[in-house]
Amino acid sequence: KNEVEQSPQNLTAQEGEFITINCSYSVGISALHWLQQHPGGGIVSLFMLSSGKKKHGRLIATINIQEKHSSLHITASHPRDSAVYICAASIIQGAQKLVFGQGTRLTINP
Amino acid sequence: DVKVTQSSRYLVKRTGEKVFLECVQDMDHENMFWYRQDPGLGLRLIYFSYDVKMKEKGDIPEGYSVSREKKERFSLILESASTNQTSMYLCASSLTSGRNQPQHFGDGTRLSIL
Repeated sequence: KNEVEQSPQNLTAQEGEFITINCSYSVGISALHWLQQHPGGGIVSLFMLSSGKKKHGRLIATINIQEKHSSLHITASHPRDSAVYICAASIIQGAQKLVFGQGTRLTINP
Repeated sequence: DVKVTQSSRYLVKRTGEKVFLECVQDMDHENMFWYRQDPGLGLRLIYFSYDVKMKEKGDIPEGYSVSREKKERFSLILESASTNQTSMYLCASSLTSGRNQPQHFGDGTRLSIL
């Protein structure tokens, strides 16, 4: 079993829908990262969080340390949000190595 | 903004060749990483470096080596390329160790070994 699990693996929705992607982890972590990968390969770091909630534009990331669970939400989704979303965990404080989930492929149809 | 530049977007090489993948970052980051990404397996760490001339093995170092002679440059070397090394290779960097930092990624190199 992977230490970091994402669900769903694939998600297709219509423009405007509210999107939720889930990430569960089985080990203690010092931080949880959300990454976005567009077709073509480049990866962008969206959030790094160790508690509570962070918001950037239409994207919101939350984490529940006790339940070992994080969610990425997209409000008013748009076709340009179509990408692979990856969660990754920093297992050891400051060690920089990340453990990655498998990714969620999101497709937003117009 | 941090810029992580990988030397090639696409590369085709032959079995047995020695292959160099280059990565340069422009923000004086201490840490640099090489990953490979394969369908169904996600991102896997090959090697990383905390400082010039320092390197540490990641999860899948077999068949690879690295070089970090200057702080801004981290090279991945396939000593004798094999078809199972056909993959997407991603370089990343982060500012420093000792506290959590986001990683900044390059655009990736899609490598095909024929």
